[in-house]
Amino acid sequence: NAGVTQTPKFQVLKTGQSMTLQCAQDMNHNSMYWYRQDPGMGLRLIYYSASEGTTDKGEVPNGYNVSRLNKREFSLRLESAAPSQTSVYFCASRQGGSGEKLFFGSGTQLSVL
Amino acid sequence: GQQLNQSPQSMFIQEGEDVSMNCTSSSIFNTWLWYKQDPGEGPVLLIALYKAGELTSNGRLTAQFGITRKDSFLNISASIPSDVGIYFCAGQERLDAGNNRKLIWGLGTSLAVNP
Repeated sequence: NAGVTQTPKFQVLKTGQSMTLQCAQDMNHNSMYWYRQDPGMGLRLIYYSASEGTTDKGEVPNGYNVSRLNKREFSLRLESAAPSQTSVYFCASRQGGSGEKLFFGSGTQLSVL
Repeated sequence: GQQLNQSPQSMFIQEGEDVSMNCTSSSIFNTWLWYKQDPGEGPVLLIALYKAGELTSNGRLTAQFGITRKDSFLNISASIPSDVGIYFCAGQERLDAGNNRKLIWGLGTSLAVNP
């Protein structure tokens, strides 16, 4: 049982390049999330999808877009990468409703030069 | 955005010692969660607390939901090298009308264990 799978594991971009981070979960969860983790800032919510077909902004959505492709997949896109987007990105999923247990992927370490 | 005050920021202890860390908030939460993050991995849920005063154990880990509902504590007894990592607290509040709940995260306690 893979849980939450993120790709790629590492990525280096130049300023202005675009890329999409992929996330898939095999637990039939309704809700999916994208977080970024920075030193001294903790985990910050970028976007979330409460259920298939819906997406909403979190705390730090600027510079990002998301797509809930189907129940399993939730992608995060950087249209024009900036050095401030250098971070570790985590995808997470949960059953939804009152279920609180959040399952995380292993992260994508992104550097924007 | 809102954050929790988690302390200490870091700890360096000898194997076998007990560890205590805590989180405080200016807001009341209905649920407190404790996660551990190993290097290069995502956080993993250790303990979930649902009621004020609740004390819950998971092996050598014990966590408590503070009576005021504004704080929580995590204790690790008889630490071992694999306890190394970053421990995060999180408080849960309602996010939207769809009953989807938002987690407010502490900044983490980094634990190092000297064998």
